[in-house]
Amino acid sequence: DAKTTQPPSMDCAEGRAANLPCNHSTISGNEYVYWYRQIHSQGPQYIIHGLKNNETNEMASLIITEDRKSSTLILPHATLRDTAVYYCIVRLDNFGNEKLTFGTGTRLTIIP
Amino acid sequence: DAGVIQSPRHEVTEMGQEVTLRCKPISGHNSLFWYRQTMMRGLELLIYFNNNVPIDDSGMPEDRFSAKMPNASFSTLKIQPSEPRDSAVYFCASSFLGLGVNEQYFGPGTRLTVT
Repeated sequence: DAKTTQPPSMDCAEGRAANLPCNHSTISGNEYVYWYRQIHSQGPQYIIHGLKNNETNEMASLIITEDRKSSTLILPHATLRDTAVYYCIVRLDNFGNEKLTFGTGTRLTIIP
Repeated sequence: DAGVIQSPRHEVTEMGQEVTLRCKPISGHNSLFWYRQTMMRGLELLIYFNNNVPIDDSGMPEDRFSAKMPNASFSTLKIQPSEPRDSAVYFCASSFLGLGVNEQYFGPGTRLTVT
């Protein structure tokens, strides 16, 4: 699976949009971009994933650049409960390759 | 849906003792994963099963660790003998391998302390 690079930490004001970047310059054509987050003392939680097109769900939006070498996770209206470590993971989506390889992630702190 | 259930939530044991961690995946899921998280090494996959069969155990640190999945609703991770360096939070996760989203659902974890 392709390696990802994320900033170690970010702050965002409550109510504002939080934009978390991820670089994955060695991504291959059939690898997906997944985002998970881990709130303190809890297990990781799936947020969103995508291949080429931008994606949106009830939690967040995922913007993938046209060359697919980077992406941005957007939390449109951050709340204090969004304070967590966010992991960007690139992986193939097929049998025998289900494992997630977690990096160090970005520690996002929402400021009241 | 109760989600992934892990027990115990906390375990404190002495070096050399056997430790067994338990996991009940979400009903209907066909893949199960065991992860370990420490400050030094982050979140690491130890082993995963598909349809109760181990698919990848390359993350199991050594022979002291073993994992079983006797049926679709239960798995164990055993450490024998335990050592202080095994102290970590152990997470179990499950997913359904099929068409569409392949997201993993994590349990609350078991915090293991070996003294």
